Order: sequence, then C-alpha cells, then structure tokens
Amino acid sequence: NAGVTQTPKFRVLKTGQSMTLLCAQDMNHEYMYWYRQDPGMGLRLIHYSVGEGTTAKGEVPDGYNVSRLKKQNFLLGLESAAPSQTSVYFCASSRGVSYAEAFFGQGTRLTVV
Amino acid sequence: KQEVTQIPAALSVPEGENLVLNCSFTDSAIYNLQWFRQDPGKGLTSLLLIQSSQREQTSGRLNASLDKSSGRSTLYIAASQPGDSATYLCAGPGGSNYKLTFGKGTLLTVNP
Repeated sequence: NAGVTQTPKFRVLKTGQSMTLLCAQDMNHEYMYWYRQDPGMGLRLIHYSVGEGTTAKGEVPDGYNVSRLKKQNFLLGLESAAPSQTSVYFCASSRGVSYAEAFFGQGTRLTVV
Repeated sequence: KQEVTQIPAALSVPEGENLVLNCSFTDSAIYNLQWFRQDPGKGLTSLLLIQSSQREQTSGRLNASLDKSSGRSTLYIAASQPGDSATYLCAGPGGSNYKLTFGKGTLLTVNP
C-alpha cells in the first residue's frame, strides 16, 4: 500500500540548474497538491490540480511549473533553481476537497547552492 | 481567503497529562478540518478528519472537535506519552477554492 510516493528524497542543485520532482499516487485520487515547507513559514501551496490535464496556481507559484499528464502523477519542475527554492517539498493527494482526507508523501529535501 | 491559526506555537507537558491544542479559521464555509502529525524530518500523517456536518471525531486517545460558528477546532490528547512528541498541524479547505490551508503548527513535547 504505497499511497503517495515522492522521488527523489534528497537533492542538491547548483544555482541555475533545472530538475523535476515526481509525485505518484496509487489511490485514484482526483486532487493533487505541491507544497513547500520552510521554517517559520509553515506549509505553502505552490500549485495544485483538480484532475488529469488540469493545473492551477497556489500561493507561491513563481519559479515553478507543473504538469498532470496522467491522473496518478503530478510533476513539479524548477527551470532555473535559485537558493530561495531551498526547502522541503511535499506532495499530497485527495479524492476531492469537500469530504475527502488528504494524504501526504514523505517529502523531498532540496538544497540549492 | 481562508486563514488558519494555531495556538500555542509550542507546548511542553509532563507525561500523563491531558492536553488541548487549538486551531482557528476565518472562513466558516469550511468543508472539513483535518489534523496531522509531523515528526522531525518526516512527512505529514493524517490523524483525524472532521466533516463540516460533524462535531467530533475520535481515534484512540485523540478527540477532535469542530465548531464552525466560532471558527474553532480543538485536538484533545488524553494521557499524553513521550511518543506523542511531534508537531501537530490543522488544515482545511473552504469557500469557493480547492486549497487546503494549513496553520503553522503546535510543537508538542511530552517529558518522561
């Protein structure tokens, strides 16, 4: 019972490099979310998706892009990494928003040097 | 815009004590309220989900309540144990958006 799986778990990037974080869920959930967690700032929503082929901006979308080509996968891309993007990234999914429980992955710790 | 506040930011109690964690939200049109636990360096584990039509949910030593009219939820932990030490977060979607908005959490330390 995998739930929500994030890949990779750790990564160090140089400023200006690009990378993609992968989130996969096996619960057939419609909704998927990407958050970042920073000390003192709490969890902030980057982008989210309410179904396959859809994406929408959250609170802090600048510098990130996302894609939801398949229902089970939600990709978060950093085109040109900056030190300000050093953070822990969490993916979550839920069956819907109204009555559904959200489940989280274990996180990706990203350091941009 | 939904805003979620958690008080206190940190709490230290001796083992065996009953305790209450507080969560307040600004948008009373909240669909549900979820409590999570986060251990250091780990992801979020769902503890309890309270639907907007419910007032309470219980799981073992945990009891969560939801009062939409006052914009408050509480998480009650009975007979606390050192293993309960973690950060507890509340979150809920509300209004016309699909965004799950989080409080900043309460860091709980249970001392043996």
